[in-house]
Amino acid sequence: GAVVSQHPSRVICKSGTSVKIECRSLDFQATTMFWYRQFPKQSLMLMATSNEGSKATYEQGVEKDKFLINHASLTLSTLTVTSAHPEDSSFYICSARALSGGAADTQYFGPGTRLTVL
Amino acid sequence: QKEVEQDPGPLSVPEGAIVSLNCTYSNSAFQYFMWYRQYSRKGPELLMYTYSSGNKEDGRFTAQVDKSSKYISLFIRDSQPSDSATYLCAMSETNTGNQFYFGTGTSLTVIP
Repeated sequence: GAVVSQHPSRVICKSGTSVKIECRSLDFQATTMFWYRQFPKQSLMLMATSNEGSKATYEQGVEKDKFLINHASLTLSTLTVTSAHPEDSSFYICSARALSGGAADTQYFGPGTRLTVL
Repeated sequence: QKEVEQDPGPLSVPEGAIVSLNCTYSNSAFQYFMWYRQYSRKGPELLMYTYSSGNKEDGRFTAQVDKSSKYISLFIRDSQPSDSATYLCAMSETNTGNQFYFGTGTSLTVIP
């Protein structure tokens, strides 16, 4: 199946600092990537949809100035959590959708990034 | 009412048992149905992908969709301890649309 990587897998930072998370599709090109947030024992919450070469589309309630998304190429999207605070601590997961049809039109997830803000 | 309802469990079964995981939904426009498996502290992994109603089998896994009842199921035969994970259902209206609707996930433990 399609492989999506995320880096870093885990990050601990001080309150007020910014953290960048990278999401890469390793063996396919992804026109669209998605960023999710997941709290313990809860489902995935879509934060934003990122299309290559254009501005991201944010879900209602997600601050675009706080969660900066850049999708610079067909294989890379980044999420920057600016001025992070303890309430931003969470598991952030990206997913990517392949270009070709059939099952490849579904989403393939990265392994996630655990962010802890002290 | 949530778009997708899924019993969070936890569900605990002995090794070798048949496991049945289910989701119900309210949007009759959903046509694409997915099951993901998520191990602790990992991203979800796509298990099964089905379109419209019917059954799909892949090894020990069978996905079933009943659109008339707005009900989908995932069956795991001969369950193994390695199947212990959280299983998320997901669905969408189109296969190129952005909006996926996820269930909350069912936590499964298979006891050796």
